[in-house]
Amino acid sequence: DTGVSQDPRHKITKRGQNVTFRCDPISEHNRLYWYRQTLGQGPEFLTYFQNEAQLEKSRLLSDRFSAERPKGSFSTLEIQRTEQGDSAMYLCASSLVGANSGANVLTFGAGSRLTVL
Amino acid sequence: AQKITQTQPGMFVQEKEAVTLDCTYDTSDQSYGLFWYKQPSSGEMIFLIYQGSYDEQNATEGRYSLNFQKARKSANLVISASQLGDSAMYFCAMRERGNTPLVFGKGTRLSVIA
Repeated sequence: DTGVSQDPRHKITKRGQNVTFRCDPISEHNRLYWYRQTLGQGPEFLTYFQNEAQLEKSRLLSDRFSAERPKGSFSTLEIQRTEQGDSAMYLCASSLVGANSGANVLTFGAGSRLTVL
Repeated sequence: AQKITQTQPGMFVQEKEAVTLDCTYDTSDQSYGLFWYKQPSSGEMIFLIYQGSYDEQNATEGRYSLNFQKARKSANLVISASQLGDSAMYFCAMRERGNTPLVFGKGTRLSVIA
């Protein structure tokens, strides 16, 4: 198992462009989370999926943001009409939730850093 | 109100010494979990240790231990025998009832000095 993979690791874009990030979770994990982290802050929750169902969205997730997990495996996070305030690290995490899964520890990927010029 | 408060933006510790990173939390739930993660400069969040609200013993994982004081709502991380590789950001996080998403504090930057 190679852990949680995120692609691309870095993205520089111009304001107004659309960007898409991909996350491949640990294969047996049924939950997938997206967080955003700006400089000097802790990660802030955006949304999460259990299998293919999107169960919760934060108020931070404006209508320019959309996330999908079509087959309950990888996920994409798209930001439309990017703004400079979207510049951040976008972190993906996965976990296994079930009867005997214990603490539901999140395993994070290395993140996708977005810079909007 | 802040759910997780980490009051130390930065800490220094001498190599081989122990260090305590503070974390206080705010919840009205009886069932919750507390987590510590390490984030080196590479960016990846690394899970260190977990404490459940009903756990009677303080959690320990190798050189990491969690000083859990429920009445004070504090969950301080203790790192013993600090190593240069411990230099990183450290985040305290909490999950309230059920399996709600983790809420993180702002972190503490630890620098280990040789």
